[in-house]
Amino acid sequence: DQQVKQNSPSLSVQEGRISILNCDYTNSMFDYFLWYKKYPAEGPTFLISISSIKDKNEDGRFTVFLNKSAKHLSLHIVPSQPGDSAVYFCAASAKGNSGGSNYKLTFGKGTLLTVNP
Amino acid sequence: DTGVSQDPRHKITKRGQNVTFRCDPISEHNRLYWYRQTLGQGPEFLTYFQNEAQLEKSRLLSDRFSAERPKGSFSTLEIQRTEQGDSAMYLCASSYTGRRHSPLHFGNGTRLTVT
Repeated sequence: DQQVKQNSPSLSVQEGRISILNCDYTNSMFDYFLWYKKYPAEGPTFLISISSIKDKNEDGRFTVFLNKSAKHLSLHIVPSQPGDSAVYFCAASAKGNSGGSNYKLTFGKGTLLTVNP
Repeated sequence: DTGVSQDPRHKITKRGQNVTFRCDPISEHNRLYWYRQTLGQGPEFLTYFQNEAQLEKSRLLSDRFSAERPKGSFSTLEIQRTEQGDSAMYLCASSYTGRRHSPLHFGNGTRLTVT
């Protein structure tokens, strides 16, 4: 049972345009969401995150939007650059039993983004 | 920050053999995690340590798998009597518990191929 779903296996955009990557989740206990980027032969690299108390978080060219009622989040990359070509994973965590920092990320299957020059 | 280091990068073994992987976390990170990633999937949680204590193991971690983190520093993941289904990328990550939401920093993984 996929609790975090990335329904688009791939996305292709032109350099300079906006890339929008989508993610849906089913577990209402998730309260923290992250995006990771992965290049071939490397481990995932943390990109940006958002807490469930917010609906938007921005860091440079990257913005994550969270719609809790729809259990949906998206990552916007503007402007897209060829170096952004990678697999993007959406991940989520739920508050731990102790209420403290959670450890168990649940990942989606990833979306391969290709930015064409 | 030298990052999370994993060794070896690649391991090819025959079915039935034992293998051991090593992970060196970022030095000030007290949490260490093991994940597994198979083709076309996202990483799946296996287990995690806070300092030297192993606090949770996933159901994915059968009794052929064992992880240790002596002295709360590096960690090893051993797979005994490997099976072809164990072929995957094994990822180690670490984080710092000083902040509630501390992102996991991943290493480049150990790719295991069981023939």
